Amino acid sequence: NAGVTQTPKFRILKIGQSMTLQCTQDMNHNYMYWYRQDPGMGLKLIYYSVGAGITDKGEVPNGYNVSRSTTEDFPLRLELAAPSQTSVYFCASTTILGEKLFFGSGTQLSVL
Amino acid sequence: AQTVTQSQPEMSVQEAETVTLSCTYDTSESDYYLFWYKQPPSRQMILVIRQEAYKQQNATENRFSVNFQKAAKSFSLKISDSQLGDAAMYFCAYNVNAGNMLTFGGGTRLMVKP
Repeated sequence: NAGVTQTPKFRILKIGQSMTLQCTQDMNHNYMYWYRQDPGMGLKLIYYSVGAGITDKGEVPNGYNVSRSTTEDFPLRLELAAPSQTSVYFCASTTILGEKLFFGSGTQLSVL
Repeated sequence: AQTVTQSQPEMSVQEAETVTLSCTYDTSESDYYLFWYKQPPSRQMILVIRQEAYKQQNATENRFSVNFQKAAKSFSLKISDSQLGDAAMYFCAYNVNAGNMLTFGGGTRLMVKP
């Protein structure tokens, strides 16, 4: 199993550009999440999904969109990048039991 | 809303000594889970230890143990025989099983002195 795979690992965007952060997991997990981590801070939940076709907002959803067309994939879309979205983005997944959260290796995004 | 507070932004420990990282949380739930995650400079999030709130016994994983005080809503992490590889950011997290989402504290940076 590869676990949770995120791409890209690094990206620089100009203000106003758009991009999609990819996340895929091969563990057949129902629950998937997107977190952001600002420098020196903890992780904050952007969006989450409890299964294919179901998504919901987390603590900091503004400026982002997600979709969950399959169990494996949970992409995060930034439509109009702003400097405030400079952060490290983590995708994670877990089972219904939620005993352990499996994290991807993160995407470092800079918006200049 | 649930909150998780880590009051120590930075801690320092001498190699081979013991250090305790503090965490408090706020919840009205009676059944939940608590976690400590380690984040080394590689940025990877690594689960250190997990505690179920319904269990009175404190969780232990090798050199890592917790002091779980449910009434006080306190969940501290003790690292014994500290090693250089323990240097990292440590995050306390809480999960009430509603969507299994974790709420994280702000983190404590642990430095280990040789």
